[in-house]
Amino acid sequence: KAGVTQTPRYLIKTRGQQVTLSCSPISGHRSVSWYQQTPGQGLQFLFEYFSETQRNKGNFPGRFSGRQFSNSRSEMNVSTLELGDSALYLCASSLLGGSSYNEQFFGPGTRLTVL
Amino acid sequence: AQSVTQLGSHVSVSEGALVLLRCNYSSSVPPYLFWYVQYPNQGLQLLLKYTSAATLVKGINGFEAEFKKSETSFHLTKPSAHMSDAAEYFCAVRSTGNQFYFGTGTSLTVIP
Repeated sequence: KAGVTQTPRYLIKTRGQQVTLSCSPISGHRSVSWYQQTPGQGLQFLFEYFSETQRNKGNFPGRFSGRQFSNSRSEMNVSTLELGDSALYLCASSLLGGSSYNEQFFGPGTRLTVL
Repeated sequence: AQSVTQLGSHVSVSEGALVLLRCNYSSSVPPYLFWYVQYPNQGLQLLLKYTSAATLVKGINGFEAEFKKSETSFHLTKPSAHMSDAAEYFCAVRSTGNQFYFGTGTSLTVIP
C-alpha cells in the first residue's frame, strides 16, 4: 500500500506570492491533517479535513486555507507569503472508524522557503 | 484540553547506553498515546502506540514505552542506543475529536 505522498517536496517563493501544496493520503484514509513544523515552534496543527469538510482548525491566520476533494486528496494554500511561513509542511492521514487508537501516517513533507 | 509535555529538548547518550525519553500527558479521558520518530528532512514515523491491551508497549527498532496512569506518563526507552537512533522524537496524544497534540520533541544524540 502506498504511503502518504506530498508534492512538491521543495518550493522557493518570494514574499507576497501564494503557494499550493498537495497531499494524497493512504488509500482508504478519509482524514487528512496538516502541520507546520519550524525549529522554534515545533509541530503546529493547521487543520484537519474529513469527508471534504474542515473538522478541526488550529490557530493560524486566514491566509492559510485548505480543502479536501472527494477522493480524499487535500490541498493547502498560503496566500500573501511572509518570511515566517518558511517551514516544513507535513500532511498526515488516518483511518477513521473502528479503533480510536488509529495513528496518523505522515508524508515526507514539503519544504517551503520564502525569500 | 489534552496535551503532552516532553521533558528535555535534547538528550545525549553513549552508544550502547540506555535511552530514556520522557513524556507526560494531560488527559481527563483514557488517552490515545503515540511516539513518533523523525529523521532529518523526513516526515514522522510511528514508533509505537498505546492500545490499552498492555501497559508495556513494544515498538519498532527495539523501542518500548510504559503507560503509567498514576504518573500520567508514557516514557520511551531502549536498552541499548545505536548510532542510527539519533533523531527527533515526538510524543503525541489523540483527542476524541481526532485532533493530535504533539509534544515539542526531544532531539536524541548518540555519542560513539
